[in-house]
Amino acid sequence: DADVTQTPRNRITKTGKRIMLECSQTKGHDRMYWYRQDPGLGLRLIYYSFDVKDINKGEISDGYSVSRQAQAKFSLSLESAIPNQTALYFCATRPRDLGYGYTFGSGTRLTVV
Amino acid sequence: GEDVEQSLFLSVREGDSSVINCTYTDSSSTYLYWYKQEPGAGLQLLTYIFSNMDMKQDQRLTVLLNKKDKHLSLRIADTQTGDSAIYFCAGFNDYKLSFGAGTTVTVRA
Repeated sequence: DADVTQTPRNRITKTGKRIMLECSQTKGHDRMYWYRQDPGLGLRLIYYSFDVKDINKGEISDGYSVSRQAQAKFSLSLESAIPNQTALYFCATRPRDLGYGYTFGSGTRLTVV
Repeated sequence: GEDVEQSLFLSVREGDSSVINCTYTDSSSTYLYWYKQEPGAGLQLLTYIFSNMDMKQDQRLTVLLNKKDKHLSLRIADTQTGDSAIYFCAGFNDYKLSFGAGTTVTVRA
């Protein structure tokens, strides 16, 4: 099983719909992150969480919300999806020791039509 | 915040060395990373360098860090077709990891 699992892998949704992307990890890490990837822009941070009660906005949080249901689960919601939220979304975790870097999930490709 | 820039494309012949360059703006970045993304996959950590180091070598990979110029490079020796991917440099500062746009490396026979 993957260390960081994202579901769904692919999703097409309509403008205005609410959608949730889920992430679970078996690494036992406290820190979890949501990034979106757009061609030519790299990855940009949406939200991050240092533990269940510590959730913070990243650089592009508008239009998104998150929920940290447990240490191992961190969900990203689009309350009312719009086409410019079409992107590849990644969940990541990391331990306290930065020498191990971040561990990324395989991504969720979201298309808003 | 941290700005990280890298060239978007690199084409290299199989067996040659690849050099991917990256510049960053925030001199207080403590860790600098190189990630690899293959098609349809997530990001895989290749290597990292701590900010008090100048060079790190790991098998075919060599990372050079020039703190004065805020320049980071990744050299891949004896490039193989399996090295075709997007390579991201990223810098960690304070609470987050900031990424460059990624360099698409194409290995030609």
